[in-house]
Amino acid sequence: SQKIEQNSEALNIQEGKTATLTCNYTNYSPAYLQWYRQDPGRGPVFLLLIRENEKEKRKERLKVTFDTTLKQSLFHITASQPADSATYLCALGVGTYKYIFGTGTRLKVLA
Amino acid sequence: SQTIHQWPATLVQPVGSPLSLECTVEGTSNPNLYWYRQAAGRGLQLLFYSVGIGQISSEVPQNLSASRPQDRQFILSSKKLLLSDSGFYLCAWAKGQGSYEQYFGPGTRLTVT
Repeated sequence: SQKIEQNSEALNIQEGKTATLTCNYTNYSPAYLQWYRQDPGRGPVFLLLIRENEKEKRKERLKVTFDTTLKQSLFHITASQPADSATYLCALGVGTYKYIFGTGTRLKVLA
Repeated sequence: SQTIHQWPATLVQPVGSPLSLECTVEGTSNPNLYWYRQAAGRGLQLLFYSVGIGQISSEVPQNLSASRPQDRQFILSSKKLLLSDSGFYLCAWAKGQGSYEQYFGPGTRLTVT
């Protein structure tokens, strides 16, 4: 069956450290993968998109990798800050118009 | 710039009552439109998407329906709500071929009692 898995447990890290979140998928062949941030009671906000032919993408303190052989994406936040605390969702682009979301990982950055 | 609106923000409805949630997008034309539901502590479940007026694709069989009467208007409806319809409903839009990011609305918190 098709599955997308993100770290189900909340991730607590110390301010200034690098947070690494994982997104694993099975039985999909996504053309691209996206990461979103969601704060409580709000809609998700787009962060980064990476295509299947790209290995890595960066934006300021954010970095995403995409390994289509391992069927895994890693999302890194360097020099993390308490304001980075949120739930982070990965989403696979499957087909031309469809997106399949993971359940998200809740990140808490401790001051 | 583009904006997306959803209303109402919160809704409490009894089981068996009808539902109508509305989503409108401003500042873009011919967007792809999406309805998602997020149950408490769960991920986003794609319910419907639309690539044009009157074109609706359903992802999950259920007692919900969607319509797109105008280019930038997307409506989610139900004739009779179930308890399991409770959740956070999110509308989103995207440009073009689907390889672009999605922009989400503020959401509607629906509680069916």
